[in-house]
This record gives sequence, structure tokens and C-alpha cells, in this order.
Amino acid sequence: AQSVTQLGSHVSVSEGALVLLRCNYSSSVPPYLFWYVQYPNQGLQLLLKYTSAATLVKGINGFEAEFKKSETSFHLTKPSAHMSDAAEYFCAVSGEGYNKLIFGAGTRLAVHP
Amino acid sequence: NAGVTQTPKFRILKIGQSMTLQCAQDMNHNYMYWYRQDPGMGLKLIYYSVGAGITDKGEVPNGYNVSRSTTEDFPLRLELAAPSQTSVYFCASRYRTLDTQYFGPGTRLTVL
Repeated sequence: AQSVTQLGSHVSVSEGALVLLRCNYSSSVPPYLFWYVQYPNQGLQLLLKYTSAATLVKGINGFEAEFKKSETSFHLTKPSAHMSDAAEYFCAVSGEGYNKLIFGAGTRLAVHP
Repeated sequence: NAGVTQTPKFRILKIGQSMTLQCAQDMNHNYMYWYRQDPGMGLKLIYYSVGAGITDKGEVPNGYNVSRSTTEDFPLRLELAAPSQTSVYFCASRYRTLDTQYFGPGTRLTVL
């Protein structure tokens, strides 16, 4: 069965610092992986997705993620945090049959001056 | 396009009452989903549909029912509401497998 583990329910960084949000997955089939962002009182928006093309995926707002099969990881990074990046971030893996997504528990990112 | 719309935005129910959460999309998407979001638990899939007339259970279907009579609409029915169903409910849709999944703004439900 497919599952996602996000290490760290809360991450705090200074403005301008590197953002690293960790995601590890388990999948019995070749995985497709996604990062979504949720701003307060809103639905989720897609940041980026990996669908078996390039292993380094670039998304919106300067975020990127690297698919590492050997480590079963898909960590999200941004070189320099901005105050507007404060939100909750969710990693997701495609379910068996690729009809649905399985979400991690989420990581809340705080950015302080 | 309005995208994915959900009504109502907020609702308070008493234990044992029933209600229907509405979800509609105007993007001609085949796939539609209902999730619930609880603090620290991420999103849990309740039900999903791969097309009109076809629905299937997700991870947490107990206490809920769905139907999909049209491509556009995917209502979620709560029968005999319980406090454990207090949550934020999100509807989502996408056109094909692995396409971007679009989310609605959510419905915040409280059962007292």
C-alpha cells in the first residue's frame, strides 16, 4: 500500500534562510509524487509534481523537489524563505491504480523576520 | 471558470441530524474526490468518483454516502451526524489520472 511520511509537523526558519521540508514515501508501484500548499482558510494548491520525467522538479514560487528512488524521498526545498511562504505543506503519493492521492500529515512552515 | 465550488462554507449540526455537502466543478473533470482534514492528520480520502455513475470508497467512508449523477456534481451526504464528523471537508477534481488536482475552498462542519 502507498503511504507518505512527512518528518516534522512544524518547521521554523528565518526569512532568507533555506527551506527544507522532508517527505518519504512507500509505494508498491512506480510513484507519482506531489507537493501542495495550503494557506490559512483556503483549499490546497499544487506546488509541483513528479511524474517520472526529470528527477529534479521545479515548481511555483521558487520551490523545487528532487525524487530520490534509492532513498524513497521527495524533499521540498527553497533557497531563500520569504514571509509569504508561511503555510502548511502537504506531500502526496499516487495511490495504487493512480486514481487517487494519499496525503501526508502536513508540515506547518513558519517564517520569522 | 469558477473551478471547484463548495456549499455551504460553514455549518453547525446537532447530533443525529443529516445534511448534504455540495460540490460542483465546471472544468469537465472526470475525477472527483471528497476529503476531510483534521488537525495534524493531513487529508483523508472519504469517497471518490472516476466518472458519472461510478463511485468508490476511500480511507474513511463510514458515516458518509455519495452519488455522481452528472459530471459536474458530487454531493456528500452525512446521515446521523456524530461529533467525530466535526472537520473541514474539501472537494477536489481533476481531468485525468496524474493531472493537477484542484481543490474547493472547503466546508467547516461542527457537530454538537
